Amino acid sequence: SQQGEEDPQALSIQEGENATMNCSYKTSINNLQWYRQNSGRGLVHLILIRSNEREKHSGRLRVTLDTSKKSSSLLITASRAADTASYFCATPWSQGNLIFGKGTKLSVKP
Amino acid sequence: NAGVTQTPKFQVLKTGQSMTLQCAQDMNHEYMSWYRQDPGMGLRLIHYSVGAGITDQGEVPNGYNVSRSTTEDFPLRLLSAAPSQTSVYFCASSQGNEKLFFGSGTQLSVL
Repeated sequence: SQQGEEDPQALSIQEGENATMNCSYKTSINNLQWYRQNSGRGLVHLILIRSNEREKHSGRLRVTLDTSKKSSSLLITASRAADTASYFCATPWSQGNLIFGKGTKLSVKP
Repeated sequence: NAGVTQTPKFQVLKTGQSMTLQCAQDMNHEYMSWYRQDPGMGLRLIHYSVGAGITDQGEVPNGYNVSRSTTEDFPLRLLSAAPSQTSVYFCASSQGNEKLFFGSGTQLSVL
């Protein structure tokens, strides 16, 4: 019963290129979050966008949210090899909890 | 800053054995939760707690028990391990649902 679904499942790019990942969700939300997971590690919070925001930036990250389409995108500009990781979108489910998508596996080649 | 600490990092069990996965946080967060991560399935919520003495079930609670006697600790118990419980387990804590802090995970194999 995943709330979010990321697309694509896997993405391979060259260093310096931009990487775009998309997330679709099913129900109304008050915020949407993106997390990164390096291989074998725990998830790390990247950015949160609220339902009344359309776009948000943090360093090389740009997140957009379209509540009418129930979708969000994460753009990583000028990617680096260190950006290689899995990226998950997540939406609130209940008190203090999130529902996660299945993730996009990003590979950035030097 | 320790954040969220999980132990052990790796564990191998035989079917039917019991064990407890430990989770502790030092950020005074009210909310704590357990997720399991399986290949191709993303993270699924097992149990969660909104404060000491209060726990509730997530998406996949069967086969797992939890308790929350203190704000800091939220152990996950497997009473009779099954091969279907082979997974990577993550504990998380937060002040609400706006930013979760995750532990580094426990890789569990049930033979």
